[in-house]
Amino acid sequence: EAGVAQSPRYKIIEKRQSVAFWCNPISGHATLYWYQQILGQGPKLLIQFQNNGVVDDSQLPKDRFSAERLKGVDSTLKIQPAKLEDSAVYLCASSLAGTGIYEQYFGPGTRLTVT
Amino acid sequence: AQSVTQPDIHITVSEGASLELRCNYSYGATPYLFWYVQSPGQGLQLLLKYFSGDTLVQGIKGFEAEFKRSQSSFNLRKPSVHWSDAAEYFCAVGADYGGSQGNLIFGKGTKLSVKP
Repeated sequence: EAGVAQSPRYKIIEKRQSVAFWCNPISGHATLYWYQQILGQGPKLLIQFQNNGVVDDSQLPKDRFSAERLKGVDSTLKIQPAKLEDSAVYLCASSLAGTGIYEQYFGPGTRLTVT
Repeated sequence: AQSVTQPDIHITVSEGASLELRCNYSYGATPYLFWYVQSPGQGLQLLLKYFSGDTLVQGIKGFEAEFKRSQSSFNLRKPSVHWSDAAEYFCAVGADYGGSQGNLIFGKGTKLSVKP
């Protein structure tokens, strides 16, 4: 079974530029998450999708971050414009719906450096 | 609000020695509890989980954890550490609020180093 795929793995941009990350979840997983992991901290949920609808985006900085999950499969997370404090690893995870919702499978992450 | 505390930022143990990583949580109801491991440059891998029932849960790679409600703890243990266990370990609690399920709240992690 293929795992959660993410690209790119690394990205370096200058502040005020824009960047986009892509995630392909495990086939059949209805729920998709984007987490931000700042160095030295645990992951923090940015947004949660159930199929192609947003369940929770309360911690997403909506003035600069946006995310979509078209057709309920792949997802993209965008930052525009980036700030220095956005430097982090962005993790995508997926899970089944229902009782399996907490068993999340994580991708390798995208390491973003904003200079 | 739910929270997770991992008191130890960095632990070093000798190969073959036993290991215990501490985790304390704050959650009003019966929590869903998890331990994840993250190797350098990798995503997080689920080691074990507690939803209900037996308070001692077994996971992969020889790890186990014990849920103690009275102490609000969910400590991770391994009787004999291998060099390949060197990684960062995260404890997490599954939040369930406002109709949103599945949100994991993570601790800050404990980095494990293994001495030969």
